[in-house]
Amino acid sequence: QKEVEQDPGPLSVPEGAIVSLNCTYSNSAFQYFMWYRQYSRKGPELLMYTYSSGNKEDGRFTAQVDKSSKYISLFIRDSQPSDSATYLCAMRTQGGSEKLVFGKGTKLTVNP
Amino acid sequence: NAGVTQTPKFRILKIGQSMTLQCTQDMNHNYMYWYRQDPGMGLKLIYYSVGAGITDKGEVPNGYNVSRSTTEDFPLRLELAAPSQTSVYFCASSLTSGSFEQYFGPGTRLTVT
Repeated sequence: QKEVEQDPGPLSVPEGAIVSLNCTYSNSAFQYFMWYRQYSRKGPELLMYTYSSGNKEDGRFTAQVDKSSKYISLFIRDSQPSDSATYLCAMRTQGGSEKLVFGKGTKLTVNP
Repeated sequence: NAGVTQTPKFRILKIGQSMTLQCTQDMNHNYMYWYRQDPGMGLKLIYYSVGAGITDKGEVPNGYNVSRSTTEDFPLRLELAAPSQTSVYFCASSLTSGSFEQYFGPGTRLTVT
């Protein structure tokens, strides 16, 4: 079982749709959960992060963590064509590790 | 403030050739990383460094070498290039080990034929 699983898609939605992106993980020691956004032919950039369980909202984006199910989600409300990108989840343990473990990424296209 | 810069942007190598991918950051970050990204496969950590003079292996270090003589620079060396090293290589940096925000460069697209 891979440490982090993410459906690579691709996912295509109309403008204005609510998008749900998900990752599952197997390592119960993960405490920090991140979403990176990667535009085509660019490096990833941090979009949001959460610590442990719970929700975090930033504008149209909401990140959720359910540690009991080892499941994290990113919701995008009122999706825009500019949201078209690959979204990578990433995780790390608390303390001691410099390493992030990344999912494979989900490619999202928002059609105008 | 340029962030993380990488050169070259593109390179085609023949099997058995060697090359160095350059990475420089101007944010005074202690931690630097090299990843490779294959299509549909996410990011795999090759090597990382926690400061000048200190490097360590990541998940896929075979066929690569690194050095860190300064805080700013973290070059990745490919010796005896193989087709399996065809990939996009990203350099990243972060301020501390506790930082989950890694800043990525624009990448180097390498093809080995």
